[in-house]
Amino acid sequence: NAGVTQTPKFQVLKTGQSMTLQCAQDMNHNSMYWYRQDPGMGLRLIYYSASEGTTDKGEVPNGYNVSRLNKREFSLRLESAAPSQTSVYFCASRPSGSFNEQFFGPGTRLTVL
Amino acid sequence: QKEVEQDPGPLSVPEGAIVSLNCTYSNSAFQYFMWYRQYSRKGPELLMYTYSSGNKEDGRFTAQVDKSSKYISLFIRDSQPSDSATYLCAMSVIRYAGGTSYGKLTFGQGTILTVHP
Repeated sequence: NAGVTQTPKFQVLKTGQSMTLQCAQDMNHNSMYWYRQDPGMGLRLIYYSASEGTTDKGEVPNGYNVSRLNKREFSLRLESAAPSQTSVYFCASRPSGSFNEQFFGPGTRLTVL
Repeated sequence: QKEVEQDPGPLSVPEGAIVSLNCTYSNSAFQYFMWYRQYSRKGPELLMYTYSSGNKEDGRFTAQVDKSSKYISLFIRDSQPSDSATYLCAMSVIRYAGGTSYGKLTFGQGTILTVHP
């Protein structure tokens, strides 16, 4: 049982390049989330998916798109990376019976030059 | 004004000290109050949660909620070097749609705690 896995662990992009961050969970959770974490800002929600086939914007969705490929996988895409998107990105999932506990992946450290 | 405010610290204490971590919030609709712990270069993990005003204990940890003052705290007794981490408060409002319940968490900025031997 791997929990929540994220790839890649590290990435450096140039301004204007695109990339997709991958997330998968093997806990059969319905809800999945993407956050970014910046110094002094805490964790901010980018997008979430309450269940397979649905996605909704969070607090900071501009510049990102998401795809809930199936129940296990939830990807985050940067179409044209900007230096302001330099951050640590966390994927999380939540079991249906819990309102509070989200299980987080190890994060992807992204630098945009 | 942010919905959840948390003193980022950093906080440095000697081993054995009592640690107090605090958050204030402005949204009175918040229903659940949580504390997550995040070790360096790891994802956060849930430490404790509570629903009502009052205290909740779990070993050396006590979570306290005062809804009237919109203030929550986490106390760590007999702190250990292994407690060194970033502590994030989080709050949620539960919403229901299409027969499904879901909650969005709003996090504080996190407090960096170091417990030195």
